[in-house]
Amino acid sequence: SAVISQKPSRDICQRGTSLTIQCQVDSQVTMMFWYRQQPGQSLTLIATANQGSEATYESGFVIDKFPISRPNLTFSTLTVSNMSPEDSSIYLCSVEGPGGGGYNEQFFGPGTRLTVL
Amino acid sequence: KNEVEQSPQNLTAQEGEFITINCSYSVGISALHWLQQHPGGGIVSLFMLSSGKKKHGRLIATINIQEKHSSLHITASHPRDSAVYICAVSRRGGGGGADGLTFGKGTHLIIQP
Repeated sequence: SAVISQKPSRDICQRGTSLTIQCQVDSQVTMMFWYRQQPGQSLTLIATANQGSEATYESGFVIDKFPISRPNLTFSTLTVSNMSPEDSSIYLCSVEGPGGGGYNEQFFGPGTRLTVL
Repeated sequence: KNEVEQSPQNLTAQEGEFITINCSYSVGISALHWLQQHPGGGIVSLFMLSSGKKKHGRLIATINIQEKHSSLHITASHPRDSAVYICAVSRRGGGGGADGLTFGKGTHLIIQP
């Protein structure tokens, strides 16, 4: 199984500032995924981050707002830029990897709870 | 219409009851996932299915590919099973190029002692 850590676990930020969220995995993975969960909503995929290439963004998300880095196979960052209160969400990173049953599972980080004032 | 629909949205039951949560999807998938999210926000993968049925302890997950439907069952439910249960699909041939998941809205389950 994959163990994922995220920093920070939570933050309160002012409108117009930016926050970079770090995601560290204890094993090498090809693809890392970044999700957003707005209050009371389900998770939504922001982008997929492959090591050595540009991140692939889902409809409604753009690189200028959510720049992503993927410098190696165990680490990624997501930046939430020029924040507004609408960006208040839980941000989660995720990977797919071998599970205990001999098949792939999705593993999720603990999430970063962001509040924008 | 959402691509992944779950029912019920909310479910309250007594300890020991047999629980069923349903998930229907409208897109081609390579796999379906059942996830559990606790109030602190942490998400745990319960099952990943592409066909048939899987069992883990008191949890059973089934999928019918032809009907595009999956169910999650909990036998002998316990208050510690209280959580949000989320159905998610890995889309087959996703046009955006990303292979991440598409999620249902979740089922809020409360098991009362």
